[in-house]
Amino acid sequence: AQSVAQPEDQVNVAEGNPLTVKCTYSVSGNPYLFWYVQYPNRGLQFLLKYITGDNLVKGSYGFEAEFNKSQTSFHLKKPSALVSDSALYFCAVRVFTGGGNKLTFGTGTQLKVEL
Amino acid sequence: KAGVTQTPRYLIKTRGQQVTLSCSPISGHRSVSWYQQTPGQGLQFLFEYFSETQRNKGNFPGRFSGRQFSNSRSEMNVSTLELGDSALYLCASSSRQGGTGELFFGEGSRLTVL
Repeated sequence: AQSVAQPEDQVNVAEGNPLTVKCTYSVSGNPYLFWYVQYPNRGLQFLLKYITGDNLVKGSYGFEAEFNKSQTSFHLKKPSALVSDSALYFCAVRVFTGGGNKLTFGTGTQLKVEL
Repeated sequence: KAGVTQTPRYLIKTRGQQVTLSCSPISGHRSVSWYQQTPGQGLQFLFEYFSETQRNKGNFPGRFSGRQFSNSRSEMNVSTLELGDSALYLCASSSRQGGTGELFFGEGSRLTVL
């Protein structure tokens, strides 16, 4: 069975500093990895995805993520955090079985960016 | 292009009642998935429909059901509501089934069961 772990419930960072939100995964097969962000009382917004190719993936709002197969990680990063980045971030994985779009999500990491 | 539309956004029911939630996917998208989000369990997959057929089902009791219409709109139904069914129900659409594309989520329907 596939699973995703987000080891930090909350990450605090000062505005202007780099941020990292951690994600590790466990799958049997090639993973499709995704990051989503959720603002209060809103749905999930897609940030970026890794399917294949370059290990460094660039996404929306200046976010990027690095796929590391040996460490089974897919950490979300941003060089300079903004207060408006404060939100709940979810990592998700899908194994392509040819049978569907089911995503398995991590538990989420609350990012708080302070002035 | 309009996004995924879910109705109603908020609703309150009492135990034992039933509820129907509606989802209109992005135009041209034929895959619709449903997820339940709660503080305790996080995001859990309910089911996925593609071309009016249920393709995947999560580990939920039979009280949870869904369907998809020929125009790709989907509904989910929860019968005999329990307090634990209080949650944000999220619908997501995708252009293909089993492809590499991301899911596009709606704003959700927040159900409160009293």
